[in-house]
Amino acid sequence: DTAVSQTPKYLVTQMGNDKSIKCEQNLGHDTMYWYKQDSKKFLKIMFSYNNKELIINETVPNRFSPKSPDKAHLNLHINSLELGDSAVYFCASSPRSQGSEAFFGQGTRLTVV
Amino acid sequence: AQSVSQHNHHVILSEAASLELGCNYSYGGTVNLFWYVQYPGQHLQLLLKYFSGDPLVKGIKGFEAEFIKSKFSFNLRKPSVQWSDTAEYFCAVISGNTGKLIFGQGTTLQVKP
Repeated sequence: DTAVSQTPKYLVTQMGNDKSIKCEQNLGHDTMYWYKQDSKKFLKIMFSYNNKELIINETVPNRFSPKSPDKAHLNLHINSLELGDSAVYFCASSPRSQGSEAFFGQGTRLTVV
Repeated sequence: AQSVSQHNHHVILSEAASLELGCNYSYGGTVNLFWYVQYPGQHLQLLLKYFSGDPLVKGIKGFEAEFIKSKFSFNLRKPSVQWSDTAEYFCAVISGNTGKLIFGQGTTLQVKP
């Protein structure tokens, strides 16, 4: 009964490949996010969706494309993976777009070799 | 632009010592403030939050934080730390306008038994 679940937990892939990370939340929240945590533990917001609609799109390369088939899911697709994409990616959700705490998934550790 | 600054990057304490982690934010409007904790290899969990009302907020595991509006600060405190408090601590802010949850750089707390 995990609230925010991501798959896979670990992902090792070669440069140039395309990969996807899936995220699902069963909390009934309207808003979902993707964050990237680098090797220095810094957390940077990438995208935010509110009820399947993109509301925040930070300066992220076009190779990253979020997709929200419904408000419970926010997947992250990455094309042409680069070494610098190696990081831990966290999905999160919150009850509404402004002001509420976010609930985080377990993270996906992506390693590009 | 909205930003969050945590002054201490790496703190080492002995068990039973008192803890105070600094957090300052740069936004003049309405903000919601959070402290999250990330135990080794785990996802982020909410320690406490401030939305309005009493500026002294109590959270889980004996943590508390004080919102000082005039200083744009939201420092985290614990009177007596335990070895199990060893973790990464993140201060975060959501501004009323942007709806973006912005994190500080994080503070690594190491508690020696």
